[in-house]
Amino acid sequence: AQSVTQLGSHVSVSEGALVLLRCNYSSSVPPYLFWYVQYPNQGLQLLLKYTTGATLVKGINGFEAEFKKSETSFHLTKPSAHMSDAAEYFCAVSEGLGGGSNYKLTFGKGTLLTVNP
Amino acid sequence: NAGVMQNPRHLVRRRGQEARLRCSPVKGHSHVYWYRQLPEEGLKFMVYLQKENIIDESGMPKERFSAEFPKEGPSILRIQQVVRGDSAAYFCASSRDRSDYGYTFGSGTRLTVV
Repeated sequence: AQSVTQLGSHVSVSEGALVLLRCNYSSSVPPYLFWYVQYPNQGLQLLLKYTTGATLVKGINGFEAEFKKSETSFHLTKPSAHMSDAAEYFCAVSEGLGGGSNYKLTFGKGTLLTVNP
Repeated sequence: NAGVMQNPRHLVRRRGQEARLRCSPVKGHSHVYWYRQLPEEGLKFMVYLQKENIIDESGMPKERFSAEFPKEGPSILRIQQVVRGDSAAYFCASSRDRSDYGYTFGSGTRLTVV
């Protein structure tokens, strides 16, 4: 069984400040990890994903995340927030290579990011 | 969200009516996934379909819900005799094959049951 915990349902930052959205997961098999962004009344857009290889993953719009196996974490960061980053962010996990249900994503409850001018 | 088309965007049904949600995958994609997002919750897996086959329906409620992905046409998620608790956003995603990790979702259908 897998689960995802996103610490902080709402994060507020100033424009230009560091963005840090936290995600911890539990998985009985090596995981694949994802961050998605959802703008109001829209679908989810994939920001970045970790499958294998380098643990620091770069995504779109200047976001990156680091897979830390020892901490079971996959936190999302961006050095400088922009007003257009205001949205809801979801962390998700699936079974990794060899997992029978690797198509199935388990999502966290989401973190709403507000960017103040 | 480019490519996965869902309609309608918004659907209002009275209790007891049927709701039909449509999903047209990206051209060339034969794998479709449905997820449901309840208010203030993350998305939850409902069903995984390939053309004419249901691969995994472990997330589907046992009654009133069904899904299909026919050889021709869109995938359909059907909810019979809707109740207030069915009010949610329903998202569809597609992939070319099963190993396309991190598929992209459509814009969703927001179902409101009154």
